Amino acid sequence: AQSVTQPDIHITVSEGASLELRCNYSYGATPYLFWYVQSPGQGLQLLLKYFSGDTLVQGIKGFEAEFKRSQSSFNLRKPSVHWSDAAEYFCAVGDPGGFKTIFGAGTRLFVKA
Amino acid sequence: NAGVTQTPKFRVLKTGQSMTLLCAQDMNHEYMYWYRQDPGMGLRLIHYSVGEGTTAKGEVPDGYNVSRLKKQNFLLGLESAAPSQTSVYFCASGQLEAFFGQGTRLTVV
Repeated sequence: AQSVTQPDIHITVSEGASLELRCNYSYGATPYLFWYVQSPGQGLQLLLKYFSGDTLVQGIKGFEAEFKRSQSSFNLRKPSVHWSDAAEYFCAVGDPGGFKTIFGAGTRLFVKA
Repeated sequence: NAGVTQTPKFRVLKTGQSMTLLCAQDMNHEYMYWYRQDPGMGLRLIHYSVGEGTTAKGEVPDGYNVSRLKKQNFLLGLESAAPSQTSVYFCASGQLEAFFGQGTRLTVV
């Protein structure tokens, strides 16, 4: 069965520090992978997606993620975090049909000055 | 650009009452979805639709019904609300990339 695990419920980083949010998935075929961000009181916004090709994908707001098939991981990174990045981040895995996207439980990011 | 619009944004219901949540999208998407979001559980798919006149069950469909009479609208109904349905409900549209509404916070007392 498909599943997505985000091991960290919450993470705190200092402004300007680097960030890595972990995501592991279980999927029987080549997955479609996504990272979404949710600011308080808002819906989810797509940060980046991986379908095929280059395993390092660039997204909006300076985020990137790397697909590692051998580790079943799709970790999200940012070199320098800004206070405005404080939000909840969701990793998701989907199929080509698009209607069986499974979301992880989310990681809440806190940014300290 | 409106994108995906959900109404209402907040609602309080008494146990046993009914209500309908409306989702409208202006991106001409075939696929639309209803999710519920609960703390520590991410988003769980309630129902989805792959086109006008079609609906299908997702992961947690019990207690909910949906209709897709027009391509741009996807309605989620609660016939007899229960406290377990207290949640934040999100509508989304799109096939590979999902575009989300801002959510409806529903409290059932």
